[in-house]
Amino acid sequence: DTEVTQTPKHLVMGMTNKKSLKCEQHMGHRAMYWYKQKAKKPPELMFVYSYEKLSINESVPSRFSPECPNSSLLNLHLHALQPEDSALYLCASSLEGRGYEQYFGPGTRLTVT
Amino acid sequence: AQTVTQSQPEMSVQEAETVTLSCTYDTSESDYYLFWYKQPPSRQMILVIRQEAYKQQNATENRFSVNFQKAAKSFSLKISDSQLGDAAMYFCAYRSPPGNQFYFGTGTSLTVIP
Repeated sequence: DTEVTQTPKHLVMGMTNKKSLKCEQHMGHRAMYWYKQKAKKPPELMFVYSYEKLSINESVPSRFSPECPNSSLLNLHLHALQPEDSALYLCASSLEGRGYEQYFGPGTRLTVT
Repeated sequence: AQTVTQSQPEMSVQEAETVTLSCTYDTSESDYYLFWYKQPPSRQMILVIRQEAYKQQNATENRFSVNFQKAAKSFSLKISDSQLGDAAMYFCAYRSPPGNQFYFGTGTSLTVIP
């Protein structure tokens, strides 16, 4: 099983809403990532969970908060988002350490109104 | 931080022809890994090919091959016998152990002309 699943596929939310994105993998990967991707642009790293430690891209606003309930699940909690946060949110996972590739989920297309 | 540069924002190729996508990177590390990822329109990003810096032999996966020039810090992707399904954004990426961060280039949008 080389699949990373993400739910929901699409999400429309208002600026005052609270929502969560979910990511799951069953490949035994211990590193999981959240990326934000705008159209025709590369993914921008938001968060990395590795060795049960969280690494944060310091440019990510606090209205995004990750949660890793266990080694297979990764959530991204959203609160009070802005229209500029509309993007494709990608989850990825990899084995930790030397040179292993990332496996990406299909993404959640988020629209903030 | 390492930087990855893709100097061709857009490329096009005739079906069945060969195309080469360029990637250069900047690093002071000697041990690292390079990847090409493909992202078709509205579809999932998938790994195309992977190269280990300590291996001199260029990686090959079916119609996809790389030209890895370590001294020049260059990592180009060659697609042979291009097919319509090859149309996608292609991202070059870099990873150096022991860290888990990947550095992506800006991408090249490939169009395949029937």
